[in-house]
Amino acid sequence: QQQVKQSPQSLIVQKGGISIINCAYENTAFDYFPWYQQFPGKGPALLIAIRPDVSEKKEGRFTISFNKSAKQFSLHIMDSQPGDSATYFCAASRTSEKLVFGQGTRLTINP
Amino acid sequence: NAGVTQTPKFQVLKTGQSMTLQCAQDMNHEYMSWYRQDPGMGLRLIHYSVGAGITDQGEVPNGYNVSRSTTEDFPLRLLSAAPSQTSVYFCASKRGGAYVGELFFGEGSRLTVL
Repeated sequence: QQQVKQSPQSLIVQKGGISIINCAYENTAFDYFPWYQQFPGKGPALLIAIRPDVSEKKEGRFTISFNKSAKQFSLHIMDSQPGDSATYFCAASRTSEKLVFGQGTRLTINP
Repeated sequence: NAGVTQTPKFQVLKTGQSMTLQCAQDMNHEYMSWYRQDPGMGLRLIHYSVGAGITDQGEVPNGYNVSRSTTEDFPLRLLSAAPSQTSVYFCASKRGGAYVGELFFGEGSRLTVL
């Protein structure tokens, strides 16, 4: 049973465009929603995170939008650059101990 | 500052062999965990530990064993390797207690079971 469902599985965006990755969760007790970025041959690294008490969080070109009623959250990458090409994972947790990840999205930014 | 260090980076095993993946962190983190990454499956939690002497199961614990004798080290043991355990394994750590925040990952150990 996948507690966090992520889409799309892969995404190709032109340089300067907007990349959008979506996640949906089932457990309404989740209270922490991070996004991780992974480059080939490396471990994932925290990109940005949000709590359910806010609907949006922005850090530079990266924005998380959160819809509590729909149990969905998304990552928007504005002005996408070739260096943003990576695999992105959404995740969720309801305690400090277990982080559940989505399936991952391979993002390719064409120059 | 080394962060989370995993060894070996690559390993090939035959079915039925046993081995240990090593993980060490130098950030004095109480919480440590092991994930496996498979295409289309994301990262799935195998085992985790909230401190020395304390371990618990994650989503996919079968076939794996862990122990936590020190704060720094959290080895993952494969008791009798199976082809289904072919995967990339990641160790991760973070501050403990009620902290809900950044997990720091190692660079991974790629395991192939023939």
